[in-house]
Amino acid sequence: GENVEQHPSTLSVQEGDSAVIKCTYSDSASNYFPWYKQELGKGPQLIIDIRSNVGEKKDQRIAVTLNKTAKHFSLHITETQPEDSAVYFCAAFRYSSASKIIFGSGTRLSIRP
Amino acid sequence: DTGVSQDPRHKITKRGQNVTFRCDPISEHNRLYWYRQTLGQGPEFLTYFQNEAQLEKSRLLSDRFSAERPKGSFSTLEIQRTEQGDSAMYLCASSLNQGNTEAFFGQGTRLTVV
Repeated sequence: GENVEQHPSTLSVQEGDSAVIKCTYSDSASNYFPWYKQELGKGPQLIIDIRSNVGEKKDQRIAVTLNKTAKHFSLHITETQPEDSAVYFCAAFRYSSASKIIFGSGTRLSIRP
Repeated sequence: DTGVSQDPRHKITKRGQNVTFRCDPISEHNRLYWYRQTLGQGPEFLTYFQNEAQLEKSRLLSDRFSAERPKGSFSTLEIQRTEQGDSAMYLCASSLNQGNTEAFFGQGTRLTVV
């Protein structure tokens, strides 16, 4: 069945350094890849997404890359700040007539001051 | 419109009781999803509506679970004869179905079965 694997499960970086989270997906028909940030006690918040017709997208300190051939996609956060500490989820989706979003298992990112 | 709204935010119930959760999606969003999330895990898909039609149900959704979206707007998720294993965060999300595929989540309903 469809599956999204996410690594690492925990990540600790020094404030100001970069953080990278990687995901792989199994459904080759997936064509939309959102990333969500979840803070304690809250629902997931969409922070950036990428569609399969592009290889990279950037929004200020956050960037996503997609390698369709390898079925890999990654989240890059530069110049990390304390407020970046949260759990991050990658997801894969096939926007056909009826499709569900498949989530990775999450990465707990901690920013050390 | 302030986003996806879920009610209640927290629910504590005794094992064997029935519970019902409500989700109000973003206005005009015709897709509505229910997910379940346990501690340290990613959201797991439960079911999905397009307007009032329930198009897909996960195998996770046992016969004790039922979801409805009678008028294609708000949705309810009912769990009958709750078990301790049902304790989790229940998340609702909504999106448009017109090429704009972003799904927005509510704050969730945290269920504790004692």
